[in-house]
Amino acid sequence: DAGITQSPRHKVTETGTPVTLRCHQTENHRYMYWYRQDPGHGLRLIHYSYGVKDTDKGEVSDGYSVSRSKTEDFLLTLESATSSQTSVYFCAISESTEPETQYFGPGTRLLVL
Amino acid sequence: AQSVTQPDIHITVSEGASLELRCNYSYGATPYLFWYVQSPGQGLQLLLKYFSGDTLVQGIKGFEAEFKRSQSSFNLRKPSVHWSDAAEYFCAVGAFDTGNQFYFGTGTSLTVIP
Repeated sequence: DAGITQSPRHKVTETGTPVTLRCHQTENHRYMYWYRQDPGHGLRLIHYSYGVKDTDKGEVSDGYSVSRSKTEDFLLTLESATSSQTSVYFCAISESTEPETQYFGPGTRLLVL
Repeated sequence: AQSVTQPDIHITVSEGASLELRCNYSYGATPYLFWYVQSPGQGLQLLLKYFSGDTLVQGIKGFEAEFKRSQSSFNLRKPSVHWSDAAEYFCAVGAFDTGNQFYFGTGTSLTVIP
């Protein structure tokens, strides 16, 4: 299994508060991704990173920001959490720009009250 | 635009029966296709992938998938289902011209009856 951890694994927060989720990898892979998983939608890409300090938006980026100051860490921040951001968040990594498999972390379950 | 359709939201099969999960994709360039499996409360595990070459690909746990370009399909099959195969299955297409972005289908939930 790819060395990917996510923290926290579960979080309950209130509407309007900022929340930061962390993804940590030990594989030294260049690409990192944040997805959210919702019933009826599958997984949708929020943001991704193609190197330290290099990030780009995905399909559902509104209300989210990311940062990557080290190869191994990719942070997802909900600037002001809303109930619509209640979801399961997955981090993924891949090695290169060539056709490449993405490997997934265990997920973070977030509930916004 | 890239998209993946999994027309079956939920499938129930008896243990020992054969299984086919459908996946159709829309992608303008050469598709790179994946099947992942997700057990309850877990992350996604890669079952198999197609990049090029033989259109019938073998994966883990006895699964296989066939790429049919003419039908824009990448259906997943298993000849004999085990109770432990009960899970959610996701098909994905990789858009490697846009930062290795993946586009996922909405998933098919598999129930296995003893």
